[in-house]
Amino acid sequence: AQSVAQPEDQVNVAEGNPLTVKCTYSVSGNPYLFWYVQYPNRGLQFLLKYITGDNLVKGSYGFEAEFNKSQTSFHLKKPSALVSDSALYFCAVRDQTGANNLFFGTGTRLTVIP
Amino acid sequence: EPEVTQTPSHQVTQMGQEVILRCVPISNHLYFYWYRQILGQKVEFLVSFYNNEISEKSEIFDDQFSVERPDGSNFTLKIRSTKLEDSAMYFCASNLLDSGNTEAFFGQGTRLTVV
Repeated sequence: AQSVAQPEDQVNVAEGNPLTVKCTYSVSGNPYLFWYVQYPNRGLQFLLKYITGDNLVKGSYGFEAEFNKSQTSFHLKKPSALVSDSALYFCAVRDQTGANNLFFGTGTRLTVIP
Repeated sequence: EPEVTQTPSHQVTQMGQEVILRCVPISNHLYFYWYRQILGQKVEFLVSFYNNEISEKSEIFDDQFSVERPDGSNFTLKIRSTKLEDSAMYFCASNLLDSGNTEAFFGQGTRLTVV
């Protein structure tokens, strides 16, 4: 069965510092991996995805994520955090061979401190 | 930029009442989904819909739930007799294809409160 774990409910980082939001996953086959962000009173917005190929994926707003198959991780990163990055971040996985719906983590609230 | 829209943004209903949550998916998308998030918990898949029929559903999507695409633009989720535990944020999503190569676009959600 597919599952996603986001071990940190809350991440605080100072503006200008690098940020990491952690995600690990479990699927029976090869994964499709996604990051979504939710700003207050907004829907889930797509940030980036890993399908195949390069393990480092670049997405919107300067975010990137690294797929690590041996550690079954897909951590979200950004070299320099902005206050406007403060939001709720969701990692999601989809099994390439199984059900077509997304399995989400519980979300990590990122707060960037000015 | 095209977006998925949901109405209402917040609905309060009494236990046992029927509610209909509405969604307008992106116009050229073919696959539609409902997810929900109970406060403090993960976003959970409810149902997917394609070609005017349910393609997949989760254990959560029992006989109290139904979905419909009544016209060419709306996609609705009906809960026949709401329970307190149905209180959650409900997200509609749509996708052009149903493959992992394309990402789903989500609406802003409807917060359902059952009292």
